[in-house]
Amino acid sequence: SQQGEEDPQALSIQEGENATMNCSYKTSINNLQWYRQNSGRGLVHLILIRSNEREKHSGRLRVTLDTSKKSSSLLITASRAADTASYFCATDGGGADGLTFGKGTHLIIQP
Amino acid sequence: NAGVTQTPKFQVLKTGQSMTLQCAQDMNHEYMSWYRQDPGMGLRLIHYSVGAGITDQGEVPNGYNVSRSTTEDFPLRLLSAAPSQTSVYFCASSYLASAEAFFGQGTRLTVV
Repeated sequence: SQQGEEDPQALSIQEGENATMNCSYKTSINNLQWYRQNSGRGLVHLILIRSNEREKHSGRLRVTLDTSKKSSSLLITASRAADTASYFCATDGGGADGLTFGKGTHLIIQP
Repeated sequence: NAGVTQTPKFQVLKTGQSMTLQCAQDMNHEYMSWYRQDPGMGLRLIHYSVGAGITDQGEVPNGYNVSRSTTEDFPLRLLSAAPSQTSVYFCASSYLASAEAFFGQGTRLTVV
């Protein structure tokens, strides 16, 4: 069953604006990861945040993790048309079965 | 360095036919997995392997078999295709189950 649940399901913003999407999960985790999927392509890893970290940056991406609320957010600053994609969070609960993915947020950047 | 390679990219099967989806990685990763992606459902784990000779079931294993005879290859077999198996299939690999996963480009399968 899905561990992560992204919110919103879809998001449309103007180019240059910031995009924020959220992920909530149910059980304790070792780490949480965010992936991007362009239409018709495979998933690409963006960033990994460990359970003992609260915030992480990578270029225009900022990820936060609140283990007390069992939630994470992904912020994309100064969005570009090329950021149009679906974004998934994936949680690692420490089991041999690896990552559990949410249903994703579909982000559309309007030029 | 090709990463994770899946073949074929597209396939149409008739109900009851069998086929094998191929997956190969050249990163010497121990952990490999197969997911299916359906609209509105995200990715669901079918089978995974923590190393050559070791496989286990994921969330939705029924109707699928896997084997892992080498570190590089992790084929997924559909034994008797059903319309419910129409989906996009992704293979992924990582050096650990918890680490960054590298995905193939996917196989879009239609069962008629």
